[in-house]
Amino acid sequence: AQSVTQLDSHVSVSEGTPVLLRCNYSSSYSPSLFWYVQHPNKGLQLLLKYTSAATLVKGINGFEAEFKKSETSFHLTKPSAHMSDAAEYFCVVSYRQGGKLIFGQGTELSVKP
Amino acid sequence: EAGVTQSPTHLIKTRGQQATLRCSPISGHTSVYWYQQALGLGLQFLLWYDEGEERNRGNFPPRFSGRQFPNYSSELNVNALELEDSALYLCASSIGRTLNTGELFFGEGSRLTVL
Repeated sequence: AQSVTQLDSHVSVSEGTPVLLRCNYSSSYSPSLFWYVQHPNKGLQLLLKYTSAATLVKGINGFEAEFKKSETSFHLTKPSAHMSDAAEYFCVVSYRQGGKLIFGQGTELSVKP
Repeated sequence: EAGVTQSPTHLIKTRGQQATLRCSPISGHTSVYWYQQALGLGLQFLLWYDEGEERNRGNFPPRFSGRQFPNYSSELNVNALELEDSALYLCASSIGRTLNTGELFFGEGSRLTVL
């Protein structure tokens, strides 16, 4: 069975400092993994995706994530936080051909000036 | 290019009533997905439609139903509304069926409030 766990429900950083949002997954086969972002009162937007190519994936707005099979992790990072990064972030794993994405519970990122 | 559009933006109903939510996918997308985002429960998969047929459904009772029209737009119906149905309902679309390499494009959601 596939599942995804976001280890922090809330992360607070200061503007200009690094961001780390943690995600662990379980899957019986090679997963496809995604990070989505949801700004207040908005739909979700894809940040980046891993689909068994390069293990270090670069996304939009300076975010990147590294797929570590040995640790079953797919943590999201950004070197320097910006105020506009404040949002909720979802780590997602997909069922192949099943039309079903499994969402983590979300991590709310706050950015302090 | 227009994104995924959902209507209505907000909907208020009372217990026992029926709600109908609508979604228009991005042009060229044949798959439509519905998700429920309830407070404290995260995003839960509801339904997946592709080429006019229901391909998969999540763990929701039968009073949650829907359909996909020939133009690939979709409708979600919730019958016999209960208070716990209050949530943001998100529609998403994708090109084709596989989610391995594709991505979902989400609308901004329809917020359903059940009083």
